[in-house]
Amino acid sequence: DIQMTQSPSSLSASVGDRVTITCRASQSISTYLNWYQQKPGKAPNLLIYAASSLQSGVPSRFSGSGSGTAFTLTISSLQPEDLATYFCQQSYSTPWTFGQGTKVEIK
Amino acid sequence: EVQLVESGGGLVQRGGSLRLSCAASGFTLSSYHMNWVRQAPGKGLEWVSYISSGGSTKYYADSVKGRFTISRDNAKNSLYLQMNSLRDEDTAVYYCARDLGKTAAVTFDYWGQGTLVTVSS
Repeated sequence: DIQMTQSPSSLSASVGDRVTITCRASQSISTYLNWYQQKPGKAPNLLIYAASSLQSGVPSRFSGSGSGTAFTLTISSLQPEDLATYFCQQSYSTPWTFGQGTKVEIK
Repeated sequence: EVQLVESGGGLVQRGGSLRLSCAASGFTLSSYHMNWVRQAPGKGLEWVSYISSGGSTKYYADSVKGRFTISRDNAKNSLYLQMNSLRDEDTAVYYCARDLGKTAAVTFDYWGQGTLVTVSS
């Protein structure tokens, strides 16, 4: 199975800050990497697919990059509504696996 | 508007069975591959099972293989998960999730609100 490791596990940042979350795969997955946002008590929501494609309806302050084994999710200017846990997911091979999550808090 | 509504969760004894359903609306179910993903309380996400749009291809996580069965009825716009021999570690919120379908890679673009399954001794 492909292991996905996110860092950090949690972070606290101020409104307007640039926030970066890292996801590493245990083997190369090309650009088969997706990012989800899960707000408290809600289902996850797809933000980025294929490493860098913005899902329809997602604000442009979210962006993704990377290939191979190292990927990043960037929030260019953190907003109060971005309080959530963020998960990466590899779509390269079954079983499709997720990172453990990064909890983003607002200072 | 795409909607996925799960039902069938609840409290079940260890070793028991439960059948989850997911009612789809706002899109043509027969055109999309579908999945079940679960989340134990306070934990991360775990993919459980996949079924192709026509139902001919199915995949399972090792943790549920041989105990869970995924199925679908496109005429009824419904997805199912039959869960047998339930264990304590199956306690979780179970989400049905649609595959984006833009590429060959499995990407979960719409999720239901989830249904809670609690396995108790």
